[in-house]
Amino acid sequence: GAGVSQSPSNKVTEKGKDVELRCDPISGHTALYWYRQRLGQGLEFLIYFQGNSAPDKSGLPSDRFSAERTGESVSTLTIQRTQQEDSAVYLCASSRGDYNSPLHFGNGTRLTVT
Amino acid sequence: AQKITQTQPGMFVQEKEAVTLDCTYDTSDPSYGLFWYKQPSSGEMIFLIYQGSYDQQNATEGRYSLNFQKARKSANLVISASQLGDSAMYFCALMDTGRRALTFGSGTRLQVQP
Repeated sequence: GAGVSQSPSNKVTEKGKDVELRCDPISGHTALYWYRQRLGQGLEFLIYFQGNSAPDKSGLPSDRFSAERTGESVSTLTIQRTQQEDSAVYLCASSRGDYNSPLHFGNGTRLTVT
Repeated sequence: AQKITQTQPGMFVQEKEAVTLDCTYDTSDPSYGLFWYKQPSSGEMIFLIYQGSYDQQNATEGRYSLNFQKARKSANLVISASQLGDSAMYFCALMDTGRRALTFGSGTRLQVQP
């Protein structure tokens, strides 16, 4: 596709429910990233995929968060038993995977936990 | 460990004037890249400019230039001839070969005044 696509664009869920966020990267991009941005804050790294493997999961805040990537393409970020502090915009990005390759971001999923 | 510091939470500039947004970084890796992103109120992350650690010349992209001072570990963004549409959050970010994920600074909110 032309750019990184994320769905849904908005998600409202009740505390304790599970949510699944989807990211479709730019075709041919081997690296895929998930970031979290709380209101008025900077970007917080969650996880990074090179191909289908995740060499860096250091940013996942708790074991309620997990992510997978299949076919070196689509990725899903799952949050189990959501808490109010999970409310944020979840941004996905993809790149060619080199340290000099810019990340191209999707428009994000705005998650609100009530 | 990587670190990015943006010390200016907010900046004001008059339309048509130039403005410099500060960024300092820390990494022990000799190979790294520095990136600047713009985030308007709409929330999208827009890649502006890239500087590689081995680049001899400062990067330029249209009205954007990067004042790269390697010995001081600074990578300031210069925006010339500011426009009202430049009003946004600006993030500096670092990627090195050890961690193939962008580490972001806390951002600077730029407001361009007519």
